[in-house]
Amino acid sequence: AQSVSQHNHHVILSEAASLELGCNYSYGGTVNLFWYVQYPGQHLQLLLKYFSGDPLVKGIKGFEAEFIKSKFSFNLRKPSVQWSDTAEYFCAVTLNSGNTPLVFGKGTRLSVIA
Amino acid sequence: GAGVSQTPSNKVTEKGKYVELRCDPISGHTALYWYRQSLGQGPEFLIYFQGTGAADDSGLPNDRFFAVRPEGSVSTLKIQRTERGDSAVYLCASSNGTFYTDTQYFGPGTRLTVL
Repeated sequence: AQSVSQHNHHVILSEAASLELGCNYSYGGTVNLFWYVQYPGQHLQLLLKYFSGDPLVKGIKGFEAEFIKSKFSFNLRKPSVQWSDTAEYFCAVTLNSGNTPLVFGKGTRLSVIA
Repeated sequence: GAGVSQTPSNKVTEKGKYVELRCDPISGHTALYWYRQSLGQGPEFLIYFQGTGAADDSGLPNDRFFAVRPEGSVSTLKIQRTERGDSAVYLCASSNGTFYTDTQYFGPGTRLTVL
């Protein structure tokens, strides 16, 4: 069965620091990869997704993620975080056919302090 | 337009009772998903509807859980003989497509507490 590992449970950064959140998945075949974000008091929403092509994917609010197939990873990055990026971030994966449910990681809580 | 809505926002019940959780998807979205999110975990898939039918119910943990979507819009998740382990946030999502890769729009969730 697919599984998704997010290594960091809670990350605390100062404003303007760079961010990298780790995500690894266990499936050996072709996958579709997602990052979702949940801001305090808000619904879970899609940040970015990767299906195929350029392994560097750009999403909303200056976030990007890089798919490294050899490492089974899809790490989320942002060069300079803002206080408003404080949220919980979830990585998710489904198989390339798109016919299997999303499998989410446990999430990483990001706290950005002034 | 309106997003996905879920009612109630909070539900407290006693062990052994029956509960119903409601989801109103985005108008026109044919796909509807239920997830369960336990404390400290990510959302866990329960069931997927395409129209009125359950296209995939492989995530339902046991026969105490059941969901319906009789008219292809509103869905109700039903839990019989609730157990303390059922305590979680139940999330609903909808999409305008037929694949799990289509962007899913999530509701605010219903927090279920079983005493």
